[in-house]
Amino acid sequence: QKEVEQDPGPLSVPEGAIVSLNCTYSNSAFQYFMWYRQYSRKGPELLMYTYSSGNKEDGRFTAQVDKSSKYISLFIRDSQPSDSATYLCAMSGGSEKLVFGKGTKLTVNP
Amino acid sequence: ETGVTQTPRHLVMGMTNKKSLKCEQHLGHNAMYWYKQSAKKPLELMFVYNFKEQTENNSVPSRFSPECPNSSHLFLHLHTLQPEDSALYLCASSPAAKEQFFGPGTRLTVL
Repeated sequence: QKEVEQDPGPLSVPEGAIVSLNCTYSNSAFQYFMWYRQYSRKGPELLMYTYSSGNKEDGRFTAQVDKSSKYISLFIRDSQPSDSATYLCAMSGGSEKLVFGKGTKLTVNP
Repeated sequence: ETGVTQTPRHLVMGMTNKKSLKCEQHLGHNAMYWYKQSAKKPLELMFVYNFKEQTENNSVPSRFSPECPNSSHLFLHLHTLQPEDSALYLCASSPAAKEQFFGPGTRLTVL
């Protein structure tokens, strides 16, 4: 079983839709969870950072962590064409090493 | 801008060439990383430096040689690369072994 599983998509939605992106993981030691957004030919940009279980909201973005199910989610409300990118989940147990998912490619159509 | 810069942004090299990638961070972070990003694969961690000391070498072939002269600069020296080494090479820095901030990457093509 891979440490982090993420559906690569692609995912295509109409403008204004609510987008749900997910990752599952197998290592119960993971405590720090991140979502990165990567536009084509650019480096990943940190979008959300959460510690342990719970929700975190930042504008149109909400990150959820369910440690009991080893499941994390990123929700995007009122999606915009500018949200079109690849979204990467990442997590760690507090060491220097982040473990990344493969990324989900999202397209928001006007 | 994340405060992490990488040069060059694009590099084409032959298999017998020697070249170097440069990364600089202006964030005062103590940890720096090299990653390789290939199509349809997760980001692959290559090297980690913490306070200029290498703390992780993720079984990277010796044709990749990192150098960290100080906590703000990181280099990746390349020699006798293979076509399968063509990828996006990303540098990142981190303040405390948690969230990492990435540079824009160097797109490397090996002919």
